[in-house]
Amino acid sequence: EDKVVQSPLSLVVHEGDTVTLNCSYEVTNFRSLLWYKQEKKAPTFLFMLTSSGIEKKSGRLSSILDKKELFSILNITATQTGDSAIYLCAVDLNAGNNRKLIWGLGTSLAVNP
Amino acid sequence: GAVVSQHPSRVICKSGTSVKIECRSLDFQATTMFWYRQFPKQSLMLMATSNEGSKATYEQGVEKDKFLINHASLTLSTLTVTSAHPEDSSFYICSARRGTNQPQHFGDGTRLSIL
Repeated sequence: EDKVVQSPLSLVVHEGDTVTLNCSYEVTNFRSLLWYKQEKKAPTFLFMLTSSGIEKKSGRLSSILDKKELFSILNITATQTGDSAIYLCAVDLNAGNNRKLIWGLGTSLAVNP
Repeated sequence: GAVVSQHPSRVICKSGTSVKIECRSLDFQATTMFWYRQFPKQSLMLMATSNEGSKATYEQGVEKDKFLINHASLTLSTLTVTSAHPEDSSFYICSARRGTNQPQHFGDGTRLSIL
């Protein structure tokens, strides 16, 4: 069965800390891995990763994929209270007409001032 | 680009009412849209995949007669919760993909409360 596992499930840090969120997966027909940030509403897109070893960066956030070890990490440097959210990892499968995302349970990040 | 609009954002209604939720892709055409349901402190649960001009593909356990999906154009999909009951209360979210190799972008969600 296809699955995506995120760790840790929750994390509390102080402003300025650096955090690393993990996402491992076991799926057939991997297409891409995506990271989303969810605050009070629906998820907002952060990164899409398809190739191993190529870091994607957006401001203080960065992410990288290891297709050999089947995991990805999301790094947030110099965290701010506005980074508090649930970070979701999802894997997109090559599944023809039944293509869909397999979601992890998310990491709940709380950044305290 | 890739803005998805969902309406309404909040619905409170009596049991037995049917509720329609709209999902629009504002700046792109989406041949495929997705409908999710999310319970508190849980991850997203895919309900159905909506394809323009054809019948939606429902996930196992999702009643197609209960959750009617219509994808009438390349920019609009609707989800109708028919004869809603309190157990249908949830956060419903739609998403759309700009192209085959593009990520899904989400609407802001609809919080449905059935009294």
